[in-house]
Amino acid sequence: GNSVTQMEGPVTLSEEAFLTINCTYTATGYPSLFWYVQYPGEGLQLLLKATKADDKGSNKGFEATYRKETTSFHLEKGSVQVSDSAVYFCALSTSGTYKYIFGTGTRLKVLA
Amino acid sequence: DSGVTQTPKHLITATGQRVTLRCSPRSGDLSVYWYQQSLDQGLQFLIQYYNGEERAKGNILERFSAQQFPDLHSELNLSSLELGDSALYFCASSPAGGLSYNEQFFGPGTRLTVL
Repeated sequence: GNSVTQMEGPVTLSEEAFLTINCTYTATGYPSLFWYVQYPGEGLQLLLKATKADDKGSNKGFEATYRKETTSFHLEKGSVQVSDSAVYFCALSTSGTYKYIFGTGTRLKVLA
Repeated sequence: DSGVTQTPKHLITATGQRVTLRCSPRSGDLSVYWYQQSLDQGLQFLIQYYNGEERAKGNILERFSAQQFPDLHSELNLSSLELGDSALYFCASSPAGGLSYNEQFFGPGTRLTVL
């Protein structure tokens, strides 16, 4: 079946450090890939998405590239801020129902 | 604000009881999804409705049921509650088409505590 594997957290970084959160997937067909962010006490917000191979999603300084050859969708940001502290979820959906399969989430803590 | 509303925000109840969680999707969205977020299971898809009809089922227990009404709001019913049902329950909605057809917009969640 389809699945998403995310790197274990928590990840602790200093402000302005470079961030990478790894995400790999297993899916039949051609899934769409997403990164969602969950701030404390809130629901999930879409951060970025990519719908086909080699697409790059970007938003608020975050980027992720859909790599079909490595079945990956790693999240990166060049310079993190304290306000980026949150839990990040990688997810995939396939055509038909478009239900999401989520990774386990990676907690990011950025220290000033 | 995603435009998806969920009530109540918090729910505390006892084992064996029955509760109903309510979700109102964004205006115009036809699909509603329910997810359960717990520490041990992570975020799990429960069930999807599209324009009043059940579309897909995930890891939803037989004690749980859902429906979507003609005005497109949805309710998730949880019965014979157990301690392990304590979790955050999210509702999400998505449009039928357009550029955002495969995006889901999440509500703030209902935190259920079973004592």
